[in-house]
Amino acid sequence: GAVVSQHPSRVICKSGTSVKIECRSLDFQATTMFWYRQFPKQSLMLMATSNEGSKATYEQGVEKDKFLINHASLTLSTLTVTSAHPEDSSFYICSARWGFSEAFFGQGTRLTVV
Amino acid sequence: RKEVEQDPGPFNVPEGATVAFNCTYSNSASQSFFWYRQDCRKEPKLLMSVYSSGNEDGRFTAQLNRASQYISLLIRDSKLSDSATYLCVIYGQNFVFGPGTRLSVLP
Repeated sequence: GAVVSQHPSRVICKSGTSVKIECRSLDFQATTMFWYRQFPKQSLMLMATSNEGSKATYEQGVEKDKFLINHASLTLSTLTVTSAHPEDSSFYICSARWGFSEAFFGQGTRLTVV
Repeated sequence: RKEVEQDPGPFNVPEGATVAFNCTYSNSASQSFFWYRQDCRKEPKLLMSVYSSGNEDGRFTAQLNRASQYISLLIRDSKLSDSATYLCVIYGQNFVFGPGTRLSVLP
């Protein structure tokens, strides 16, 4: 199947700092990328959907100024958690698709804010 | 009503058992349907797409009932390695995940 690479896989940061997570589609051009957050023992919750060259569409309750998404090319999307706080600690996963394909997932990033 | 609902778990079954999961969805305009599995602390991986005519992949059978707006997954002859959380995923305007059903296959 198609490969989506997410980096870093794990990050620990101090409260108040910003963290950038990268999501790359390695062998296909992703027309759409999705960012999810998953808290322990809960399901994936969609945060935002981004199409290349367009502004991301955020789900209700997700602060767009806090979770900055950039989808500048067909193979790269980034999520920046600005001014991170301990409650932002979570597992963040990106996924990508082209056309109407199934979604291919990155490996996920475990963010811990201390 | 939640957009996608699944059987509450966990399901604890012995090796070799047959187990079935159901998933209901509320958006009648949904276009595509998938089952993913997620191992602990890992990303979800596609198990199989679900087609209107039903489809089978080895020990796994998926079915879709558009009229009743549900999909199902049947696992036959379950293995220890089948232990995971199974996520029902519905695609309409975006991918919506069900809460998942945890399966533990016991020796």
